[in-house]
Amino acid sequence: DAGVIQSPRHEVTEMGQEVTLRCKPISGHNSLFWYRQTMMRGLELLIYFNNNVPIDDSGMPEDRFSAKMPNASFSTLKIQPSEPRDSAVYFCASSYGYEQYFGPGTRLTVT
Amino acid sequence: AQRVTQPEKLLSVFKGAPVELKCNYSYSGSPELFWYVQYSRQRLQLLLRHISRESIKGFTADLNKGETSFHLKKPFAQEEDSAMYYCALSGTGANNLFFGTGTRLTVIP
Repeated sequence: DAGVIQSPRHEVTEMGQEVTLRCKPISGHNSLFWYRQTMMRGLELLIYFNNNVPIDDSGMPEDRFSAKMPNASFSTLKIQPSEPRDSAVYFCASSYGYEQYFGPGTRLTVT
Repeated sequence: AQRVTQPEKLLSVFKGAPVELKCNYSYSGSPELFWYVQYSRQRLQLLLRHISRESIKGFTADLNKGETSFHLKKPFAQEEDSAMYYCALSGTGANNLFFGTGTRLTVIP
């Protein structure tokens, strides 16, 4: 099992551009989480889904961020338009119980 | 509101010395507490969970409800313990986790 898969692993974009991050959870897991990691704030939960339904998006910074989970095997996190302060590592995690399994992360740099 | 505080961003200890990574929390109900670890070039992974009350890789953590703490301890640090450690909290029966800001542990040979 490859575990949680995220793509791309690295993304460099210019301010104002749209960025889409992708995640494939572990098969059979029913919860999916998106996190943002920065030096100053550590790991912040942005949004999580249960059975493909968004449960809590209170961590989404602002309307520029949106997330979807069209089916049990795929989720996207979109930032439009991107800003330099969005630069961070974005993690996706999935679970079927208390333990969350993390992907390798996407390092986003917005110049 | 829930909060997890890890007061030390960086912690260095010598190999063989005891290590304690501090974690304090605030939560109005009965929380579940976890420690997650990220070794260099590896994914973030669960280290231990307070309900299990087990020792993993020589690490233990006891939930102290009076002091609202869940400190991670190991009596003799090893070089392979060098990593980023995150304390995390979830509400009973909840799926989502709230993480602290993390502590980077360096074990000096």
